[in-house]
Amino acid sequence: DGGITQSPKYLFRKEGQNVTLSCEQNLNHDAMYWYRQDPGQGLRLIYYSQIVNDFQKGDIAEGYSVSREKKESFPLTVTSAQKNPTAFYLCASSVPGLAGHEQYFGPGTRLTVT
Amino acid sequence: QKEVEQDPGPLSVPEGAIVSLNCTYSNSAFQYFMWYRQYSRKGPELLMYTYSSGNKEDGRFTAQVDKSSKYISLFIRDSQPSDSATYLCAMKETSGSRLTFGEGTQLTVNP
Repeated sequence: DGGITQSPKYLFRKEGQNVTLSCEQNLNHDAMYWYRQDPGQGLRLIYYSQIVNDFQKGDIAEGYSVSREKKESFPLTVTSAQKNPTAFYLCASSVPGLAGHEQYFGPGTRLTVT
Repeated sequence: QKEVEQDPGPLSVPEGAIVSLNCTYSNSAFQYFMWYRQYSRKGPELLMYTYSSGNKEDGRFTAQVDKSSKYISLFIRDSQPSDSATYLCAMKETSGSRLTFGEGTQLTVNP
């Protein structure tokens, strides 16, 4: 089955700890994205990558970091510098450019930091 | 001011009703207009998209884009309880692959 997997589904961390969220896709898509979803805020773009070894900041990149060493993988690290890390995190992928309107989303990871 | 505005609802309708969901936007460079559906605790999935202005129909769903008014709509005919979800509008410029999302409208269809 082709698709995007995110793990784990639920993640709990103590304040001050870094945490890495996994995102893997086997759709052979070049572009990958990380969004954060909060109630009343819709989806906000954290980082995106249009090709391996390259990525750009989105609208709310502060306190987050990413890497794109392989086409299939785009892990997101939530650092201790992120002031409000508790949220639902969604990873997506697409064909870049003109066809990029269709983004395929993973099932999401719900992160709770206490 | 947000680039894309969407009434968050919640919207509750009886089964069989016609549902109208709407978004307004301010960026005249947007050319692709999408509607995503998101069931509770799941990732969004693309429902429909329209390029530039006009209407598009797919079964019980119709998407409309009015670029002169910077206004897009999604109509659901004969709504079903299985349509209960959050509907997110999203928009994209011709170049690049970034999407800008509305905040989503939560819809409940009551049997």
